[in-house]
Amino acid sequence: EIVLTQSPAALSLSPGERATLSCRASQSVGNYLAWYQQKPGQAPRLLIYDASNRATGIPARFSGSGSGTDFTLTISSLEPDDFAVYYCQQRSNWPPYTFGQGTKLEIK
Amino acid sequence: EVQLVESGGGLVQPGRSLRLSCAASGFTFSDYYMSWIRQAPGKGLEWVANSNQGGGGKFYVDSVKGRFTISRDNAKDSLFLQMDSLRAEDTAIYYCVRERFGWGFDLWGQGTLVAVSS
Repeated sequence: EIVLTQSPAALSLSPGERATLSCRASQSVGNYLAWYQQKPGQAPRLLIYDASNRATGIPARFSGSGSGTDFTLTISSLEPDDFAVYYCQQRSNWPPYTFGQGTKLEIK
Repeated sequence: EVQLVESGGGLVQPGRSLRLSCAASGFTFSDYYMSWIRQAPGKGLEWVANSNQGGGGKFYVDSVKGRFTISRDNAKDSLFLQMDSLRAEDTAIYYCVRERFGWGFDLWGQGTLVAVSS
């Protein structure tokens, strides 16, 4: 089973600032990595697939990069609506699909 | 409207069974793999099981193998999860989720809460 480790566990930033979230895989997942956003009381939403492709309707301020074992989700300029929990997920080696433990992005 | 709507959650005693349902609408259900993904209270996401388009291919996370069974009825655009021998650690919100080929989990239901407690 591939283990995904996200860092930091929590990140406090202000609107307008740049956010950088990391996800590291226990073995290579190629570029088969996705990012999800989850707000309180809501289901997750797909943001990025295959490491760097934005899903339908996702604003350009969200970008993904990386390959192999190290990946980054960047939010270029935070808006109030972006404060949420973010998860990475791999589909390279399944079953099982696995998720990281999440990064909570908080308003400073 | 493209959506997934789960039902069937509730409070159940350890060792008992529960069957979750998911009604799909607004898309061609039979074209997609479908998954169940769960989230324990205050915790992260855990993929539970999936079914291929025809229902003949089914996969499970180790912790539910032999206890949970995923199935689907393409004629009724529905996905199911039969959960037997429930344990306290199965307590979670269960999401019905569409898998878009080459993308990931692109459509999620609102979730249904399963609480296992005596």
